[in-house]
Amino acid sequence: EAGVAQSPRYKIIEKRQSVAFWCNPISGHATLYWYQQILGQGPKLLIQFQNNGVVDDSQLPKDRFSAERLKGVDSTLKIQPAKLEDSAVYLCASSLDPSGASGANVLTFGAGSRLTVL
Amino acid sequence: GQNIDQPTEMTATEGAIVQINCTYQTSGFNGLFWYQQHAAEAPTFLSYNVLDGLEEKGRFSSFLSRSKGYSYLLLKELQMKDSASYLCAVSSRDSNYQLIWGAGTKLIIKP
Repeated sequence: EAGVAQSPRYKIIEKRQSVAFWCNPISGHATLYWYQQILGQGPKLLIQFQNNGVVDDSQLPKDRFSAERLKGVDSTLKIQPAKLEDSAVYLCASSLDPSGASGANVLTFGAGSRLTVL
Repeated sequence: GQNIDQPTEMTATEGAIVQINCTYQTSGFNGLFWYQQHAAEAPTFLSYNVLDGLEEKGRFSSFLSRSKGYSYLLLKELQMKDSASYLCAVSSRDSNYQLIWGAGTKLIIKP
């Protein structure tokens, strides 16, 4: 099966500029996640979608970050305006069933989008 | 609160065995995952434990003790390609089944 697709792979912008990342999950995966991973740290969940509804966005800095998942498939994460501390890898992941009721809820990650803010 | 601890870095020799430990504190425990992450790549799934005991999968094994809040990942017959970060993550029913991630253990394999 095709994996999780993300683009762009790399992006360099100046602070106060905007950027958008795109993700296409594995077909049939209802749950989609956006994570932020800073070098040397574990992934930090930004937002979780179940189909096209938001399950959790408690750690999303809503003054500058926004995300949507139209039609319950593709998703876009936007940062506007960017700050220096937003430099990180933005990982998109998808899974079948977050409850694990049908077995382990294995997340499949995309290759990530590496953002550098100058 | 919910917390996961694992060593920051470990070094081992090619061909040897290494054990990477993970301790956690969480309510509503719903399983523990190990992921491997090579430098500049996405994490990939290694193992899942929800019951106590050892799960073996080739050169990799994962152990869980729910009463102790403890897990380890055992890597045998180490190869240079095993150099990577190993991330421990816990699923909690009390957090909408979200994964709580450790910071990862960077494993360096020396010839």
